[in-house]
Amino acid sequence: DGGITQSPKYLFRKEGQNVTLSCEQNLNHDAMYWYRQDPGQGLRLIYYSQIVNDFQKGDIAEGYSVSREKKESFPLTVTSAQKNPTAFYLCATPWPRGDGYTFGSGTRLTVV
Amino acid sequence: GIQVEQSPPDLILQEGANSTLRCNFSDSVNNLQWFHQNPWGQLINLFYIPSGTKQNGRLSATTVATERYSLLYISSSQTTDSGVYFCAVVLSMDTGRRALTFGSGTRLQVQP
Repeated sequence: DGGITQSPKYLFRKEGQNVTLSCEQNLNHDAMYWYRQDPGQGLRLIYYSQIVNDFQKGDIAEGYSVSREKKESFPLTVTSAQKNPTAFYLCATPWPRGDGYTFGSGTRLTVV
Repeated sequence: GIQVEQSPPDLILQEGANSTLRCNFSDSVNNLQWFHQNPWGQLINLFYIPSGTKQNGRLSATTVATERYSLLYISSSQTTDSGVYFCAVVLSMDTGRRALTFGSGTRLQVQP
């Protein structure tokens, strides 16, 4: 089945460490997005990529970095500069006609 | 930026009851989506409804774009309807980004 795979499902980070969250899609879609969700809140846009080798900052990009070297992959790195990284991270891709979105199952990141 | 407000924030229903969830948005949009987030965090598309009315089984949605609101109706609720319902929009002016701006959600609990 086509979709988005995020890994790992759970991730624990020590203070001062960088960690990378994986997002892979087999839908052959051009656009991919990263969102952050805090408890009891909606999703906020971190970074987005409209096409391979291109990406743009979203609303809360500070402390995060991304790359888009392959169409199917859009990894997110949470750097030590992100002061409050504990959250649920979701990767998504819009359907080509824009009338729907496919989301991954998410990664729960906890700072220990 | 655009404001997306959802009400009520929390809702508890008895199985079989009906409910209406509301989404108000502050600017003109060309894309409005309703999502259901299950207890495991997975987001599922319910409706793509920038205007008009749609129905899918026990769920229906209406968007009045000129008055900047959308309603999601759930009839004969079941325990499997529990979770968080999100409204998300794309600004009409934001043709390049196509990234969704989310409301903070309505948390629904259906009791047996």
